[in-house]
Amino acid sequence: DAGVIQSPRHEVTEMGQEVTLRCKPISGHDYLFWYRQTMMRGLELLIYFNNNVPIDDSGMPEDRFSAKMPNASFSTLKIQPSEPRDSAVYFCASRGGEQDTYEQYFGPGTRLTVT
Amino acid sequence: GQSLEQPSEVTAVEGAIVQINCTYQTSGFYGLSWYQQHDGGAPTFLSYNALDGLEETGRFSSFLSRSDSYGYLLLQELQMKDSASYFCAVFSGYALNFGKGTSLLVTP
Repeated sequence: DAGVIQSPRHEVTEMGQEVTLRCKPISGHDYLFWYRQTMMRGLELLIYFNNNVPIDDSGMPEDRFSAKMPNASFSTLKIQPSEPRDSAVYFCASRGGEQDTYEQYFGPGTRLTVT
Repeated sequence: GQSLEQPSEVTAVEGAIVQINCTYQTSGFYGLSWYQQHDGGAPTFLSYNALDGLEETGRFSSFLSRSDSYGYLLLQELQMKDSASYFCAVFSGYALNFGKGTSLLVTP
């Protein structure tokens, strides 16, 4: 398996623009997670899905952020409009749903810079 | 809510042993995980403790005391490549919530 795939790897955009981050989880994994990492706040859980259904979005910072998972192999995280404080590395991770499965597999991340 | 505390930085000499502590407060606890992250890379899984005691995997060991809400990661025979950030994370049954991470610097 290729692991968790994220695109783009780097994104530079201007304040006010829409940004869409993409993720392909590991085939067969039931859980998908979006995290944001900054020096100040560390690794924050934004939202997670189980079987394509959003379960907990309490970590989404505000209404400018939205996430979808239209099928088992694809998820998007959208920021509209983007602001400089959204600059961070965004990670997608997936995990199998079997009992006693605890390991989360992270993608390489998308480094977002909003100017 | 949840909170996790771990030291921000640790420095150790190549070949030595280092212990990274983690204390947590949480309303729901299934287990404690440890992840490693090199600069510019993604977090990768190191260990998971659901029960009290020590789990050993090669040079790395992880310990959990549920009654003390405390765990640690023990790295032995340190190598230069072990220089990285190490995160403890509480598993709530569905998702992981991470601490701020400990930056480990291994010096010659």
